[in-house]
Amino acid sequence: SAVISQKPSRDICQRGTSLTIQCQVDSQVTMMFWYRQQPGQSLTLIATANQGSEATYESGFVIDKFPISRPNLTFSTLTVSNMSPEDSSIYLCSVEDGDQPQHFGDGTRLSIL
Amino acid sequence: GESVGLHLPTLSVQEGDNSIINCAYSNSASDYFIWYKQESGKGPQFIIDIRSNMDKRQGQRVTVLLNKTVKHLSLQIAATQPGDSAVYFCAERDDKIIFGKGTRLHILP
Repeated sequence: SAVISQKPSRDICQRGTSLTIQCQVDSQVTMMFWYRQQPGQSLTLIATANQGSEATYESGFVIDKFPISRPNLTFSTLTVSNMSPEDSSIYLCSVEDGDQPQHFGDGTRLSIL
Repeated sequence: GESVGLHLPTLSVQEGDNSIINCAYSNSASDYFIWYKQESGKGPQFIIDIRSNMDKRQGQRVTVLLNKTVKHLSLQIAATQPGDSAVYFCAERDDKIIFGKGTRLHILP
């Protein structure tokens, strides 16, 4: 299965700032996704990162708050904009290719002060 | 709306015993189900999956059972080991993957 690397692995940020999280895959994949996992909770899909076009956002998530890029089939970024303490979460990148089950990176642990 | 849930937030099992983790889902249109294991500080790790045209699938030390009549999914872990300590999530897919709430598995010595 594909190896997924996320950067940074963790960060502590000031409220009002923005952070861009990178997701790099070691092979070309069809689908890339971004999830949020709030402390002690399950995973919630933020959006599907579409190569060469705008991401598809789930209900409750908007592009102004979580802009996403996917310039090619191996890389995507998620920006968490104008952060507040409520944005403190783990942000996870996942990939899906063909019939293979979805695989996840180890996530970015984000704390907002 | 559709939801996937687990019956118990925590489960404690004696080392060497079998573990059974249960999950109920509500979307009868879901055709694919997955179990993930998440260890502390890591992302979810794929364990086993099953399609809706099956009712049982076995892996190494793990078995997934699917009962479509009552919309119930279970994960059985044989001879539970300390390394099995983690949070286990079931997930279903219709047009996207929806995760259940998770069960934390504690292994008692």
